[in-house]
Amino acid sequence: AQKITQTQPGMFVQEKEAVTLDCTYDTSDPSYGLFWYKQPSSGEMIFLIYQGSYDQQNATEGRYSLNFQKARKSANLVISASQLGDSAMYFCAMRGANTGNQFYFGTGTSLTVIP
Amino acid sequence: DGGITQSPKYLFRKEGQNVTLSCEQNLNHDAMYWYRQDPGQGLRLIYYSQIVNDFQKGDIAEGYSVSREKKESFPLTVTSAQKNPTAFYLCASRGGGLPSGRETQYFGPGTRLLVL
Repeated sequence: AQKITQTQPGMFVQEKEAVTLDCTYDTSDPSYGLFWYKQPSSGEMIFLIYQGSYDQQNATEGRYSLNFQKARKSANLVISASQLGDSAMYFCAMRGANTGNQFYFGTGTSLTVIP
Repeated sequence: DGGITQSPKYLFRKEGQNVTLSCEQNLNHDAMYWYRQDPGQGLRLIYYSQIVNDFQKGDIAEGYSVSREKKESFPLTVTSAQKNPTAFYLCASRGGGLPSGRETQYFGPGTRLLVL
């Protein structure tokens, strides 16, 4: 079974500071992909970053980076230089080689950026 | 522009009524999904379809039905059997690539369903 755990229901960060959002996962698939999405109050889900289980380097996309620790089964999202527009819900998701096209989502972390 | 559209944005359902949520994509994606999101919760999979005329139940399929007669369209019907349908419904699609590959899902703007 696949499971994604996000243990931080809510987080606060000062504008221009960095913040780390935690994500741990459980899977028996030998190959899998990890995704992070942002959901503003309007409701749409926005793809942020992807990490493959066999990628040698941690993924980066602009101000987003992924701290991938395979042995610990964690894939934490780091947002650098936080902006007010970063205030949103953030979801971690996983898709495995043996789960077909199905994605598994965590319960999300609400991030609030304080001016 | 390519993307996913969902309609309506808000939908009201009376007790005992079936309602259908529309989802259309012009991304030429094979796979399409329906998720339900309750306040403060993550996304739970209702149904997904990997190809036309084929679909699979997700974790919470009871009280819902779908069809996939065209590649572009994946409508979701919330039946009267779904006793607590008030939620935010998101449709998504995904292109090809390896199961563990970097092809992400692309989401529509969502439909908020409320029971009167």
